[in-house]
Amino acid sequence: DAGVIQSPRHEVTEMGQEVTLRCKPISGHDYLFWYRQTMMRGLELLIYFNNNVPIDDSGMPEDRFSAKMPNASFSTLKIQPSEPRDSAVYFCASSLTLGTGTASYGYTFGSGTRLTVV
Amino acid sequence: AQSVTQPDIHITVSEGASLELRCNYSYGATPYLFWYVQSPGQGLQLLLKYFSGDTLVQGIKGFEAEFKRSQSSFNLRKPSVHWSDAAEYFCAVVTYSGNTPLVFGKGTRLSVIA
Repeated sequence: DAGVIQSPRHEVTEMGQEVTLRCKPISGHDYLFWYRQTMMRGLELLIYFNNNVPIDDSGMPEDRFSAKMPNASFSTLKIQPSEPRDSAVYFCASSLTLGTGTASYGYTFGSGTRLTVV
Repeated sequence: AQSVTQPDIHITVSEGASLELRCNYSYGATPYLFWYVQSPGQGLQLLLKYFSGDTLVQGIKGFEAEFKRSQSSFNLRKPSVHWSDAAEYFCAVVTYSGNTPLVFGKGTRLSVIA
């Protein structure tokens, strides 16, 4: 398996533009997570899905952020409109479980998308 | 709710020296604990995990961690650091019930000097 695949690796956009980040999880993983990483706040969980269904989106900072998972092999995180304070590295991760259980090996992370909003 | 504290934001060690990165968790029952490493420009990679049993766990790349319930700690150690160990290290915790996602600490950045 190629692991969790995120695209693009880098995105530079102007304030007010729509940004779409993409993620392909590991096949067979039931959980998908979107995290945001900044110097000030560290790793923040934005939203996670179980079997394509959003379970907890309480970490989504504003209505400008939305996430979808139309099928088991694809998810998007959209920011519309984007603002400079959205600049961060966005990670997607997938997992067999939610963290416990004998089958748990933790989460597998993608390489991230570095977003810069100017 | 569970939480994780990594007291050290940045640590610098000499190559060949020993390393200990601190992690304290806040949770009433026995948690499940993890250490991840993030190399520059990369995602997070699992180093090791503790679920139960032996409180000293071995991981990849020569790392180990010790769970100390009395101190609510899960410190990461390595006897001899290599320059390639320079990275960001994250401690994470999940509750025994397992119905919540991992909670990560803010990370400790490790620099290695010659």
